[in-house]
Amino acid sequence: QSALTQPASVSGSPGQSITISCSGTNSDIGTYKLVSWYQQHPDKAPKLMIYEASKRPPGISSRFSASKSGNTASLTISGLQADDEADYYCCSYALGGTLVFGGGTKLTVL
Amino acid sequence: QVQMVQSGAEVKQPGASVKVSCKTSGYTFTDYYIFWVRQAPGQGLEWMGWINPDSGGTNYAQKFQGRVTMTSDKSINTVYMELTRLTSDDRAIYYCAREEHGFDYWGQGTLVTVSA
Repeated sequence: QSALTQPASVSGSPGQSITISCSGTNSDIGTYKLVSWYQQHPDKAPKLMIYEASKRPPGISSRFSASKSGNTASLTISGLQADDEADYYCCSYALGGTLVFGGGTKLTVL
Repeated sequence: QVQMVQSGAEVKQPGASVKVSCKTSGYTFTDYYIFWVRQAPGQGLEWMGWINPDSGGTNYAQKFQGRVTMTSDKSINTVYMELTRLTSDDRAIYYCAREEHGFDYWGQGTLVTVSA
């Protein structure tokens, strides 16, 4: 099972919006709505930001939104804040009850 | 509140095995699958497998099949992940995570170092 494809890095200024893409295949994102996104600050465990492609868990800011179309999922962060600077990972269920992560995207807030 | 507390850091020699525990509390242990994810230094997240703590059923990533065993002990609400035949490539932080609409709770991670 190959990893989902994410850009290695994205950047934006405070207040701006950025979008991180996550490209998969018909065997994962294209078939399952169970796409999730995680934020990871250095030396911390990942944190769930989005589940089921577009839903926010309790306590997650509405500045975080996500969508899925075909084999691609996207995470958008609006109104960038300094604390948004972190690594972001997408994740999808895949055939056979398996799971696959994206390679991760480093977000820099300029 | 939900807590997932993992065992401490381990240093192992190449060829050895390591067994990491993940003790859960604050919820009904048998209601949620537990996944294991690892992260090599400076690298991304890698799914290793999952276990149904109720039935003991498992599903391992193909990469780890034959080397990983996940078990659960319902009497103490704890799951275990054992990885055998360790090499330097297995140096990583190993996380357990509860799955409900995504991984909503994570352990603190266990660093496994493989060194002669």
